[in-house]
Amino acid sequence: QAVVTQEPSLTVSPGGTVTLTCDSSTGAVTSVHYPYWFQQKPGQAPRTLIYDTSNKQAWTPARFSGSLLGGKAALTLSGAQPEDEAEYYCLLTYSAGRVFGGGTKLTVL
Amino acid sequence: EVQLVESGGGLVQPGGSLRLSCAASGFTFNIYWMSWVRQAPGKGLEWVANIKEDGSEKHYADSVKGRFTISRDNAKNSMYLQMNSLRAEDTAVYFCARDYEGYWGQGTLVTVSS
Repeated sequence: QAVVTQEPSLTVSPGGTVTLTCDSSTGAVTSVHYPYWFQQKPGQAPRTLIYDTSNKQAWTPARFSGSLLGGKAALTLSGAQPEDEAEYYCLLTYSAGRVFGGGTKLTVL
Repeated sequence: EVQLVESGGGLVQPGGSLRLSCAASGFTFNIYWMSWVRQAPGKGLEWVANIKEDGSEKHYADSVKGRFTISRDNAKNSMYLQMNSLRAEDTAVYFCARDYEGYWGQGTLVTVSS
């Protein structure tokens, strides 16, 4: 099965902008991988922020956006808030199933 | 409101079996792919399996292929995960999820230990 790679950790200043990426071992990530982005805080179930590359869920803050960037899926956070500190996971779909990335621990500091 | 409620988790010995259930409500269950996802203690998310709307197509992660079986009963708005030959490394919280738009349940804990 494919391997999906994310940055293990990133740090952003309050009010700053950061981009998390999601890479596929099979080649460029495109819309047919239907990239998803999830946020998970300690002790909580994951919640979906972005689906199908760039679509937001009803509860997704406007400061989060999804895109394709340089052959990867990307999650951009513009205007980081302390409550955005969390683990973020991407998910890609392939013909044989789905694969999560290893997660990015985002620190707002 | 979309709701997914998992049940059936618990403590099981290595080599044993367990059947998880997922009860869905608040949406038209039979038009969506559904998935099982798990998370071992202190680890990341791992996709386990998914099943097509009518149950005619199923996919599995390599780590569970041949041991786990996903199924669904659209008349009961329910999905299942039959887990056989369980190993210590299957210990995790198991989440039920709707593939499209990514709705999740709260999870059920499976512990494989003697």
